Amino acid sequence: AQSVTQLDSQVPVFEEAPVELRCNYSSSVSVYLFWYVQYPNQGLQLLLKYLSGSTLVKGINGFEAEFNKSQTSFHLRKPSVHISDTAEYFCAEGQGGSEKLVFGKGTKLTVNP
Amino acid sequence: NAGVTQTPKFQVLKTGQSMTLQCAQDMNHNSMYWYRQDPGMGLRLIYYSASEGTTDKGEVPNGYNVSRLNKREFSLRLESAAPSQTSVYFCASSIGLAGDPGTQYFGPGTRLLVL
Repeated sequence: AQSVTQLDSQVPVFEEAPVELRCNYSSSVSVYLFWYVQYPNQGLQLLLKYLSGSTLVKGINGFEAEFNKSQTSFHLRKPSVHISDTAEYFCAEGQGGSEKLVFGKGTKLTVNP
Repeated sequence: NAGVTQTPKFQVLKTGQSMTLQCAQDMNHNSMYWYRQDPGMGLRLIYYSASEGTTDKGEVPNGYNVSRLNKREFSLRLESAAPSQTSVYFCASSIGLAGDPGTQYFGPGTRLLVL
């Protein structure tokens, strides 16, 4: 069965510091990978996605993620965070032929001044 | 263009009561989903509909029923609410497999408390 592991449940950082949110996926077959963001009291919105091609994926708000097949990882990075990046971030996995996604448990990013 | 809308925003039920959560999308999407979000558990799929007239169970379907009324609307019904169903419920939609795989659009959520 598919599973997505987000290695940190909470990540506190200071404003303008770099951040990495870690995600490992389980599937050994063709896989699609996603990061979604949830701001307080809102629904989720897509941050970025990997379907195929270049392993470095750029998303909205300056975020990027790197697909690493050998390590089954899809870590999310931002070189300099802002207070407004405070949110919960979810990694998700899909498989070819299915629209369903499996979500990780989420990482709460708190950016402090 | 409202995207995905959900009603109600908040609801308090007593154990054993029933209710229906409503969801509608105006993006002409084929697929729709119901998730529940619990602290530390992420999002778990309750039910999924790939097209009008079809529904499929997700990871946690027990205690729920769904209806894909038409292409726009997908409702979730709790026949006899239990405290374990206290959660935040999200509806989502996507264009479909041939379109943009995995990109789902979420509603604002319904917060449900079962006493």
